[in-house]
Amino acid sequence: AQSVTQLGSHVSVSEGALVLLRCNYSSSVPPYLFWYVQYPNQGLQLLLKYTSAATLVKGINGFEAEFKKSETSFHLTKPSAHMSDAAEYFCAVPPFNFGNEKLTFGTGTRLTIIP
Amino acid sequence: DAGVIQSPRHEVTEMGQEVTLRCKPISGHDYLFWYRQTMMRGLELLIYFNNNVPIDDSGMPEDRFSAKMPNASFSTLKIQPSEPRDSAVYFCASSLALAGRYTGELFFGEGSRLTVL
Repeated sequence: AQSVTQLGSHVSVSEGALVLLRCNYSSSVPPYLFWYVQYPNQGLQLLLKYTSAATLVKGINGFEAEFKKSETSFHLTKPSAHMSDAAEYFCAVPPFNFGNEKLTFGTGTRLTIIP
Repeated sequence: DAGVIQSPRHEVTEMGQEVTLRCKPISGHDYLFWYRQTMMRGLELLIYFNNNVPIDDSGMPEDRFSAKMPNASFSTLKIQPSEPRDSAVYFCASSLALAGRYTGELFFGEGSRLTVL
């Protein structure tokens, strides 16, 4: 079964600094990969989605992620952190075989922005 | 467009009471999912429906939990009797299949925070 691993349950960066949140998927190349964001007291919302059309994916709020097959990674980055980026971020992968619609979420990374 | 609507947003109840959580998915979406989120266990899929039919309920923790989707615009998650360990945030999410294929792109409601005393 497909799985994702998020390294670092908590990440703190200064406002204006680079944000890097790590996600690695299991060995099989997935058809899609997702990053979701959860702001306090809200549900998750889609940040960006990889579909194999392009390895560099741009999402909302200035975030982007790069799919690297050689590293089985899909890390999320943002050049300059803003206070409003404080949230929890989840990497997610669908099942390898269609017909099973369970999306597998990582354990999440809580991002704190230091003023 | 209205997003996924959940009610109630907050529920506080006593152990042994019945709890019913409600969800209205986005109109036209084919899939509906119920998730539970806790600090200890993270985000867990409880059950999901496709075109109102339950497809996989293997995540439902016990027989005390049940879910229904009587029509395309409404679903309920019921806990009877409730226990303190059921305290969590319960999310409903819906999704649209494209060309008959599930895409994995979920739209979440704001959640129902349940506290069982």
